[in-house]
Amino acid sequence: DTEVTQTPKHLVMGMTNKKSLKCEQHMGHRAMYWYKQKAKKPPELMFVYSYEKLSINESVPSRFSPECPNSSLLNLHLHALQPEDSALYLCASSGSVGSYEQYFGPGTRLTVT
Amino acid sequence: GQQLNQSPQSMFIQEGEDVSMNCTSSSIFNTWLWYKQDPGEGPVLLIALYKAGELTSNGRLTAQFGITRKDSFLNISASIPSDVGIYFCAGLPTSGTYKYIFGTGTRLKVLA
Repeated sequence: DTEVTQTPKHLVMGMTNKKSLKCEQHMGHRAMYWYKQKAKKPPELMFVYSYEKLSINESVPSRFSPECPNSSLLNLHLHALQPEDSALYLCASSGSVGSYEQYFGPGTRLTVT
Repeated sequence: GQQLNQSPQSMFIQEGEDVSMNCTSSSIFNTWLWYKQDPGEGPVLLIALYKAGELTSNGRLTAQFGITRKDSFLNISASIPSDVGIYFCAGLPTSGTYKYIFGTGTRLKVLA
């Protein structure tokens, strides 16, 4: 099973709202990622968790707050977003013994109004 | 952030034709991944490459890890309409890191 699941599929939120994106994988992967993707552009790395610890933060604004409750779950808490934060948010996981394959979830289409 | 150079940027081809695209870098990579992404969906992993010179196939797709470790190639044989989409390469620069570098993407359109 190489599935990464994400909820919700679509999210519309106002600039004063607080919402969370959720991601889950059951592949025993050691690393989990959040990416942001704008139309026709490659995914842009935001955060990497390795062994449930934040190992990379690509200078992401504090209105995005990641959380890794356990090795299978990854959340992205959103607060006071701006319209330019509207994008496809992708979760991914990688890292099992002998493999560096990275698998993506289907994404959450976020619209900030 | 750092990106890999991917070419061509876009291409229109006739159904049944073969397609080639490549990804190049000034740095050495230890792993190359190739993805296909449909609009509004997450990228789907097509092929993973781990050794210089490695040639790996997945159905009509064949990818190669360049000998210099600074490039990778993807070929699609006998293209069909469902091959339409954006193809991304991704490289892992060094062992022990989980930060993948993505190519700029190749947009493929197949004319029936």
